[in-house]
Amino acid sequence: DPKIIQKPKYLVAVTGSEKILICEQYLGHNAMYWYRQSAKKPLEFMFSYSYQKLMDNQTASSRFQPQSSKKNHLDLQITALKPDDSATYFCASRGDRGTEVFFGKGTRLTVV
Amino acid sequence: QQQVRQSPQSLTVWEGETAILNCSYEDSTFDYFPWYHQFPGESPALLIAIRPVSNKKEDGRFTIFFNKREKKFSLHIADSQPGDSATYFCAASVQGTGSKLSFGKGAKLTVSP
Repeated sequence: DPKIIQKPKYLVAVTGSEKILICEQYLGHNAMYWYRQSAKKPLEFMFSYSYQKLMDNQTASSRFQPQSSKKNHLDLQITALKPDDSATYFCASRGDRGTEVFFGKGTRLTVV
Repeated sequence: QQQVRQSPQSLTVWEGETAILNCSYEDSTFDYFPWYHQFPGESPALLIAIRPVSNKKEDGRFTIFFNKREKKFSLHIADSQPGDSATYFCAASVQGTGSKLSFGKGAKLTVSP
């Protein structure tokens, strides 16, 4: 059973629209992350959250906004979508005492 | 600024040979160095990791060699198998709640039978 659930698996969006990528983890981890993977930038770090607080933000654009409504949720809202935003977005998590970062299966976003 | 540099970008070896993938890093505060592998259409998964207290870590056919002085580490895959064909990412992080993994750009390994 997947312990990090990302929805949807595939997403096609129109340029200029807004989408929310969903992530829920059931590993009991307090740290959650978003990474983006594209042909141009493999596994690019975007955000990290710990105990629902933003720890690090490496995303230059304010169009990307993480949202943590619950401890095990970290959604990603993307506004004013551009074709360059097309990528696979991975949610990940890490335990307090652990070192391994676990990845969800990703949401593949295509902006047309 | 690329904090973790990886080479080569792609590598082809014959079945049974040893594949060697290399990484270097800048930040001397990094204290955790994993290698992840990713098969097409799948998410990255941890393969093996090392901490600077050791200069070598083995797990079956996979070995990490770590050189703290030179800020380099490498992954050796002995007796490579076609099933090892994947993209391999090295990474580095500082241990701590919420600390991120910084990844290299990846290396595509192809093992030819």
